[in-house]
Amino acid sequence: DAGVIQSPRHEVTEMGQEVTLRCKPISGHDYLFWYRQTMMRGLELLIYFNNNVPIDDSGMPEDRFSAKMPNASFSTLKIQPSEPRDSAVYFCASSHSGGVTTDTQYFGPGTRLTVL
Amino acid sequence: KQEVTQIPAALSVPEGENLVLNCSFTDSAIYNLQWFRQDPGKGLTSLLLIQSSQREQTSGRLNASLDKSSGRSTLYIAASQPGDSATYLCVPNTGRRALTFGSGTRLQVQP
Repeated sequence: DAGVIQSPRHEVTEMGQEVTLRCKPISGHDYLFWYRQTMMRGLELLIYFNNNVPIDDSGMPEDRFSAKMPNASFSTLKIQPSEPRDSAVYFCASSHSGGVTTDTQYFGPGTRLTVL
Repeated sequence: KQEVTQIPAALSVPEGENLVLNCSFTDSAIYNLQWFRQDPGKGLTSLLLIQSSQREQTSGRLNASLDKSSGRSTLYIAASQPGDSATYLCVPNTGRRALTFGSGTRLQVQP
């Protein structure tokens, strides 16, 4: 398997523009997670899905952020409108429900977002 | 809310040294604890997972121990190599799918 795939790897945009980040989880995994990493706050969970259904979105910072998972092999994280403080590395991770006590999350390489 | 502290925040050592990275967490009601490695510009790779019933787990030159009752874990790296240079993250799992990450220890092994 190719692992978790994220695109784009780097994104530079101007304030106010819409940004869409994409993720393809590992085949067969039924959990998908979106994280954000900054120097100030470290790694934070934004939202996670189980079987394409959002389970916990309490980490989504504002209404400007939205995430979808239309099928088991694709998810998007959208920021509209983007702001400079959204600049961060966004990671997608996936896992399978082998049991919360044993499963591990597999991370993608991340998307480095810069909002000017 | 789980809080995770990792000490030291950064470490620079010459090649060949044995290292100990420390992690402490406030909520000891965990199911397991994972150590991840993060290379610059890349994602996270799981190194070791210790179940709450276990005291330690080994993989090659890595050994992780867990003292659940005191809320502590250590990652021991034997005979460090330049390729070990990365940030190491401690992640205690309280059973929620939302993991709480420590801020990490940034390790630099000098050749």
